[in-house]
Parts: sequence; C-alpha cells; structure tokens
Amino acid sequence: GAVVSQHPSRVICKSGTSVKIECRSLDFQATTMFWYRQFPKQSLMLMATSNEGSKATYEQGVEKDKFLINHASLTLSTLTVTSAHPEDSSFYICSAVGPTPGALWGTEAFFGQGTRLTVV
Amino acid sequence: GQQVMQIPQYQHVQEGEDFTTYCNSSTTLSNIQWYKQRPGGHPVFLIQLVKSGEVKKQKRLTFQFGEAKKNSSLHITATQTTDVGTYFCAGPRRGAQKLVFGQGTRLTINP
Repeated sequence: GAVVSQHPSRVICKSGTSVKIECRSLDFQATTMFWYRQFPKQSLMLMATSNEGSKATYEQGVEKDKFLINHASLTLSTLTVTSAHPEDSSFYICSAVGPTPGALWGTEAFFGQGTRLTVV
Repeated sequence: GQQVMQIPQYQHVQEGEDFTTYCNSSTTLSNIQWYKQRPGGHPVFLIQLVKSGEVKKQKRLTFQFGEAKKNSSLHITATQTTDVGTYFCAGPRRGAQKLVFGQGTRLTINP
C-alpha cells in the first residue's frame, strides 16, 4: 500500500508554545489530506480536510485559528497547534487520499503513524 | 447528521474463538471501508466493499455489505493473538471524500 509519513511521532511542549506536525505522502500525490484527533480508546474525530493550494475546511467546533493547516504541495500538509494548552494533548493523525500505487479504488485512506502531543 | 454506529465496543475472546463486529449507518453508503488499528499504532486499510450484498474474504477475515448498503460486518474465524486491535468501519460522507468512522470495536484475546 501507499506510504504516508507523519513527523514527529511524539512531542512534548510547554503550554503557550506552538507545535507543527508534518504529513507527507511518499509515493503518491495526495489530492486530499485529512487531519484527525483521537482520544484514548476512542474513535477518530475529523478535524479538517485539506486540499492542495486551497484553504482547509474545518469541521464544526474546530477552531481554525487554533489549528492552522497548510497544504503547500500535493505531498505535504502541515498542522500547527498554536498556543498549545494541556487540553490540546492528544493523538493527532493525518490521512491521505489519492491515486496510489496498488490502490484499487483511489478512495481508501492511508494514515500516517500519528503524533502524540503532550502539553505540559 | 450522518452517523455510523459500531457494536460491540469491546470484545474479549479466547484464542481460537470467533469474533464479529457489526456496523450500521444512518444513511445508505456508496461503499464501506474497514480499518484495523493495533495498540499504539495507526489505522491500516483492510478492505472496501461497494456492491449490495457483497462478501469478501481475506484469509480468516470475512467482510459483508448488507443488501440495503446500510450495514456491514467483519467476522474473524479462529482468532489469533495477532488479531488484537481496534477494528473500525467507515463510510464516505454523502457528497464528500470525508470518511465517517464508527466508534470501533476493540478486540482483546486471551492466549
């Protein structure tokens, strides 16, 4: 299957600082990337949809000024958690959709490894 | 809004026993996808079902898509410890590429 790389895998930051998370599709061009948040033992909560060259579409209740998304190219999307607070601590996962090598439908999502953010 | 419900939330079995998780959508789906997330890992795509009544098998895993394209199931025969993880179903949100995920079923296995 296709490879999506997410970096960093873990980050600890001080309250009030900003953290940038990168999501890269390594062997295909992702027409769309998605950012999720996952609380312990819970499902994936979609935060926003990111398309290359256009503004991200945020889900209801997600603060766009808090979670800045940039999709500069067809292989890279970034999520910046600004002025992080302890309640922002969570597991953030990106996924990418696009014409992928070996994909049968082109609609299945390939996930990055996730980033565990801890704000202290 | 569109909802995807999954039951049970947790399932603990003895190794060798069978396991089934069920997925129900509030709306008709164009397709349904299944993902597996190992503890500490990220979701990995397993399969997509598209046709009404479709049944697909992957070794010990059997996936079904209901006739009305609103429900689906995943059945694992003779579970092994490598099957441990959370299984999610997901359906596309109507008119969008976005996926709506079920709550997941966490499978634990007693060796």
